[in-house]
Amino acid sequence: EAQVTQNPRYLITVTGKKLTVTCSQNMNHEYMSWYRQDPGLGLRQIYYSMNVEVTDKGDVPEGYKVSRKEKRNFPLILESPSPNQTSLYFCASGTDKNTEAFFGQGTRLTVV
Amino acid sequence: RKEVEQDPGPFNVPEGATVAFNCTYSNSASQSFFWYRQDCRKEPKLLMSVYSSGNEDGRFTAQLNRASQYISLLIRDSKLSDSATYLCVVKAYSSASKIIFGSGTRLSIRP
Repeated sequence: EAQVTQNPRYLITVTGKKLTVTCSQNMNHEYMSWYRQDPGLGLRQIYYSMNVEVTDKGDVPEGYKVSRKEKRNFPLILESPSPNQTSLYFCASGTDKNTEAFFGQGTRLTVV
Repeated sequence: RKEVEQDPGPFNVPEGATVAFNCTYSNSASQSFFWYRQDCRKEPKLLMSVYSSGNEDGRFTAQLNRASQYISLLIRDSKLSDSATYLCVVKAYSSASKIIFGSGTRLSIRP
């Protein structure tokens, strides 16, 4: 089954404790991206990647890092999480340039 | 002014009705347009692309008006299962791609 898998689905952590949210897709997509969704603000792009070893900033990259060492994986790293990073995070992938064809099920992160 | 604006709704319509909503965008360099649906607490799912010539998929019709800078989504013979939030997405390609999601329009279909 074609899918984008994020882990964990739910996470509560403390300020400053490094964390990684994993994202994996099994469709051999070149394009992958990360979003955060906040009430009233919609989805905002954090980072995206056009291919292996190619990553670019989206609209809200501050406080986040990503890497794309393999085509299937695109982890999101929060080196020092802060409460304003409490949000619902989605990973997405697609075949065509910049097409978010499939989204993962989301990761609800709470930073206290 | 937001780059992509949608009426947040909620639109509350009876089953079988036709409902339409618009999405306006401010960047005239925008080149690609899409509609997604998102169910409560779930991930967005691509509903359809919006082409200059319009796009129809069953009960759903999407249209683009470049002159007035808006896209529309029309749902005919609405079903209870159409209840969701509909997100419009606008992409512009330049030196770096820019993708903007609208905040969504909430649609509720009542029996």
